[in-house]
Amino acid sequence: NAGVTQTPKFQVLKTGQSMTLQCAQDMNHEYMSWYRQDPGMGLRLIHYSVGAGITDQGEVPNGYNVSRSTTEDFPLRLLSAAPSQTSVYFCASSYSLAGAGNTQYFGPGTRLTVL
Amino acid sequence: GENVEQHPSTLSVQEGDSAVIKCTYSDSASNYFPWYKQELGKRPQLIIDIRSNVGEKKDQRIAVTLNKTAKHFSLHITETQPEDSAVYFCAAMGGGADGLTFGKGTHLIIQP
Repeated sequence: NAGVTQTPKFQVLKTGQSMTLQCAQDMNHEYMSWYRQDPGMGLRLIHYSVGAGITDQGEVPNGYNVSRSTTEDFPLRLLSAAPSQTSVYFCASSYSLAGAGNTQYFGPGTRLTVL
Repeated sequence: GENVEQHPSTLSVQEGDSAVIKCTYSDSASNYFPWYKQELGKRPQLIIDIRSNVGEKKDQRIAVTLNKTAKHFSLHITETQPEDSAVYFCAAMGGGADGLTFGKGTHLIIQP
C-alpha cells in the first residue's frame, strides 16, 4: 500500500491564481480530511469527508473548496489564492470516526507559497 | 467546538531524563486522544493514543495518561534520547464527524 499520497510537494502561486492540491489513499478509508499547518498554530481542519459524495467544513474553510467523487481521492481547490494561504497542507484519512478505526494517517504534505 | 490547550510550547531536558507534556480539552464528549511526533519537514506520525475508557497506556518509553473528570491528558517520555527531539502534538476527537482538534505543539529539545 502507498498509504496517503499528496501532489505536488511544493508549489508557488501568484495572488489570484487557482490550483488543486491532490490527495489519494489506497486503504479504502471512508474518512478523509485536509489540514493546514502554520508556525505556532498546530494543525487546523479545513474540510473533511465521511464518504464519497459527502463533504463538510472544518475550522478554517474560507477560500477552499473540496469534492469527493470517489473513496480514494479528496482534492482541495484554491479558487483565488491569497498570501494568507501560504502554509503546509496535510491530507489525512482513517477507516472510520469511531472505535479502533479512527486512527488518522497523514500524507507527506504540500508546501504552498502565495506571492 | 473542541478546544485543546498544550503546554509547554518548548521543553528542554537532559538526555536520559524524563519529559512530560500536558494537554487540556474542553468538549466532555471527546473520546479519542492521540499524540503525534513531527520531525522537521516531515508529516505528523502517530506515536501513541488513548481512548476514553482507559486511564493509562504505555509503549516502551512512552506513556499517556487521561483524566476525564479534569479533562486533561499527558504524554510521558522516559530515558529521553537525542532522536526524541521533535515537535509533539496532542489532539482530541469528539463524538461528531469533524475530525481532530490539535494543540499548538511542544518543541522538545534533548540536551546531550
